[in-house]
Amino acid sequence: DAGVIQSPRHEVTEMGQEVTLRCKPISGHNSLFWYRQTMMRGLELLIYFNNNVPIDDSGMPEDRFSAKMPNASFSTLKIQPSEPRDSAVYFCASSLGDSGAFFGQGTRLTVV
Amino acid sequence: AQSVTQLDSQVPVFEEAPVELRCNYSSSVSVYLFWYVQYPNQGLQLLLKYLSGSTLVKSINGFEAEFNKSQTSFHLRKPSVHISDTAEYFCAVSGGTSYGKLTFGQGTILTVHP
Repeated sequence: DAGVIQSPRHEVTEMGQEVTLRCKPISGHNSLFWYRQTMMRGLELLIYFNNNVPIDDSGMPEDRFSAKMPNASFSTLKIQPSEPRDSAVYFCASSLGDSGAFFGQGTRLTVV
Repeated sequence: AQSVTQLDSQVPVFEEAPVELRCNYSSSVSVYLFWYVQYPNQGLQLLLKYLSGSTLVKSINGFEAEFNKSQTSFHLRKPSVHISDTAEYFCAVSGGTSYGKLTFGQGTILTVHP
């Protein structure tokens, strides 16, 4: 298996623009997680899905952030409008049962 | 709610020396514990996990960690480190609603010198 696949790996955008991050989980995994990593706050869980249904979105910072999982093999995290403080590395992870979370390579977002 | 404290932000060590990376957690419920490793510009890789059973868990590359419930600790150890072990290590805890719903510590940067 190729593991969790995220795209793009790097994204540079201007403040106010819409940004969409994409994730393909490991085939067969039924839980998907979006994490954010910054120097100041470390690794934070933003939202997680179980069987494509959002279970806990309490970590989503603002209404500017939204996430969807239309099917078992695809998820998006959207920021609209983006702000400089959204600059971070965004990770997608997936899991099945007690496997633990398997992480993608991340998307490094820079908002200028 | 859970929290994780990694007591050392940086640990320098010489090659072939032993190392211990310390992790303490706080939780009001039973927990499951994980160590992840992150190499520069890469994602996190699961190193080892404690879910139940034996409190000593081991990875395939020589790391081990021991769950100590009374001390609420899950320290990571390796008897002899290699240059290739240089990376950032994260301790994480899950409250059990989902094993992937993790609360992470701030990370410990392990630097192995020749």
